[in-house]
Amino acid sequence: QKEVEQNSGPLSVPEGAIASLNCTYSDRGSQSFFWYRQYSGKSPELIMSIYSNGDKEDGRFTAQLNKASQYVSLLIRDSQPSDSATYLCAVNIRTREYGNKLVFGAGTILRVKS
Amino acid sequence: SAVISQKPSRDICQRGTSLTIQCQVDSQVTMMFWYRQQPGQSLTLIATANQGSEATYESGFVIDKFPISRPNLTFSTLTVSNMSPEDSSIYLCSVIEGWGNQPQHFGDGTRLSIL
Repeated sequence: QKEVEQNSGPLSVPEGAIASLNCTYSDRGSQSFFWYRQYSGKSPELIMSIYSNGDKEDGRFTAQLNKASQYVSLLIRDSQPSDSATYLCAVNIRTREYGNKLVFGAGTILRVKS
Repeated sequence: SAVISQKPSRDICQRGTSLTIQCQVDSQVTMMFWYRQQPGQSLTLIATANQGSEATYESGFVIDKFPISRPNLTFSTLTVSNMSPEDSSIYLCSVIEGWGNQPQHFGDGTRLSIL
């Protein structure tokens, strides 16, 4: 089992719709979770951090965390063509050798059609 | 958040040569990391750059191939040694500014192609 799993997509949504991106992780002890957006040819940009169970909202973005189910999601409301990018889920995983390590999922490609 | 500058932004190198990538931050940071992103893939951690001591390498990465320096709290270098076409990737520097479970922020990356 991979440490952080995402559906690679592409996920296609029409402009104005809600895009829902999902991520599962293997380490029950993980305490911090992040969503990054990566445009083609660019570096990852942090868009959301979440540490507690429940929802965290920031503008059009909502991160949802369920530690019991080892599941974290990102909702993008009123999707815009400019939201078209790869979304990377990242989880701090405990390792015996190195302490905490940030592990990235493979990323989900989102395409918003105008 | 901190401004992270990476140099060079891209390079084309010959097989068997080495290239050093620099990462400069405009403020002191607690942690610095180096990642590799191969074409169409996600990010893979190469190592944690430790200030004043040897870097901590992930499984599959060794110091002889990827020597790393971090002489102070704002600067680090990654060298890709004896390059082969398989080393063609984007190399990314990232930093953590505070303590605890703070997020990492990334530089713009170095796009490296090996002929």
